[in-house]
Amino acid sequence: SAVISQKPSRDICQRGTSLTIQCQVDSQVTMMFWYRQQPGQSLTLIATANQGSEATYESGFVIDKFPISRPNLTFSTLTVSNMSPEDSSIYLCSVEEPGAQNEQYFGPGTRLTVT
Amino acid sequence: GQQLNQSPQSMFIQEGEDVSMNCTSSSIFNTWLWYKQDPGEGPVLLIALYKAGELTSNGRLTAQFGITRKDSFLNISASIPSDVGIYFCAGRTDSWGKLQFGAGTQVVVTP
Repeated sequence: SAVISQKPSRDICQRGTSLTIQCQVDSQVTMMFWYRQQPGQSLTLIATANQGSEATYESGFVIDKFPISRPNLTFSTLTVSNMSPEDSSIYLCSVEEPGAQNEQYFGPGTRLTVT
Repeated sequence: GQQLNQSPQSMFIQEGEDVSMNCTSSSIFNTWLWYKQDPGEGPVLLIALYKAGELTSNGRLTAQFGITRKDSFLNISASIPSDVGIYFCAGRTDSWGKLQFGAGTQVVVTP
């Protein structure tokens, strides 16, 4: 399976600031996704990162708050904008590889704490 | 909203015991995936299921895709301390649909 890395692995940020999280894959992948995992909770899909076009957001998530870029088939960024303590979560990117029967693999996550 | 019901929410077991957890859905799924998440890490895919009735093993792990296509279970045999973690089921209703996740089952193994 693809090797997925995320930067940063963790960060502590002040409210009102923004943080950009990077996701790098060691091979070209068809689909890339961004998830949020709030403390003690399951995973919630934020958006699908589309290569060369605007991301597709899930209900409850908007582009102004979570802008996403995907310039190529191996890289994506998620920005958490104008942060508040409620944004404290683990942010995970995941990928689906071509021909992988829809198996989805996750990166190690970025643990964000907003003070 | 979330359509998957995963149970139990947590399990405290002794080393060597078997573990069983399951997920049920209000919709018919065409894929079931089981993940394990260790503290501070991303979920790791354990087993993927694609056909109703399919029974698949991965070492001491066994998972089955229910005949009704609305449920799946995961068994862990002869548990060991490194089985500690949170196990998530996930499924999708069609090939291009998003994955839906269960709430997770926390497994604690005591010596």
